[in-house]
Amino acid sequence: GAVVSQHPSRVICKSGTSVKIECRSLDFQATTMFWYRQFPKKSLMLMATSNEGSKATYEQGVEKDKFLINHASLTLSTLTVTSAHPEDSSFYICSAREEVRLAGGPGEQFFGPGTRLTVL
Amino acid sequence: GQSLEQPSEVTAVEGAIVQINCTYQTSGFYGLSWYQQHDGGAPTFLSYNALDGLEETGRFSSFLSRSDSYGYLLLQELQMKDSASYFCAVYAGNNRKLIWGLGTSLAVNP
Repeated sequence: GAVVSQHPSRVICKSGTSVKIECRSLDFQATTMFWYRQFPKKSLMLMATSNEGSKATYEQGVEKDKFLINHASLTLSTLTVTSAHPEDSSFYICSAREEVRLAGGPGEQFFGPGTRLTVL
Repeated sequence: GQSLEQPSEVTAVEGAIVQINCTYQTSGFYGLSWYQQHDGGAPTFLSYNALDGLEETGRFSSFLSRSDSYGYLLLQELQMKDSASYFCAVYAGNNRKLIWGLGTSLAVNP
């Protein structure tokens, strides 16, 4: 299957700093990328949908000024957590959708390995 | 609203067969996916059903009944490494988003 990389895999930062997480599709072009947040033992929570060359679409309750998303190319999307606070500590996962249709559906999503953010 | 229901926990022994059910209520249904996630890792794709019926891939099979808004993941010849969380997820809506279930924690015991 297609490969999605995510960097960094783990980051620890002080409260008030900003953290940038990169998501790359390595062997396919992803016009759509998704950013998720996951708390321990919980399901994935979609934060935003990122389309190449346009503004991201944020889910209800997600602060767009807090979580800045940039999808500058067909293989790269970034999530910046601005002025991070301890409550932002979480596991952040990106996924990229391959546009080749899967059984007539919307295409399979491939997930990055995740970034564990700890804000002190 | 849109929702998916699956059992929170399942326990089985090595070599056994286990079925994880998923019922959904969504609009604009495209298909049902299953993902596996080990502790500390990201979800990995297992299967996708857009049409009614059973899809078999090795030890894992997935079933869908669109008329019943129901699907299941069948795991055969369970191994210890199958201990993980299993999520059903539905592609739905005009924007083709994945709607996630809360996950089923599978524990495989010796």
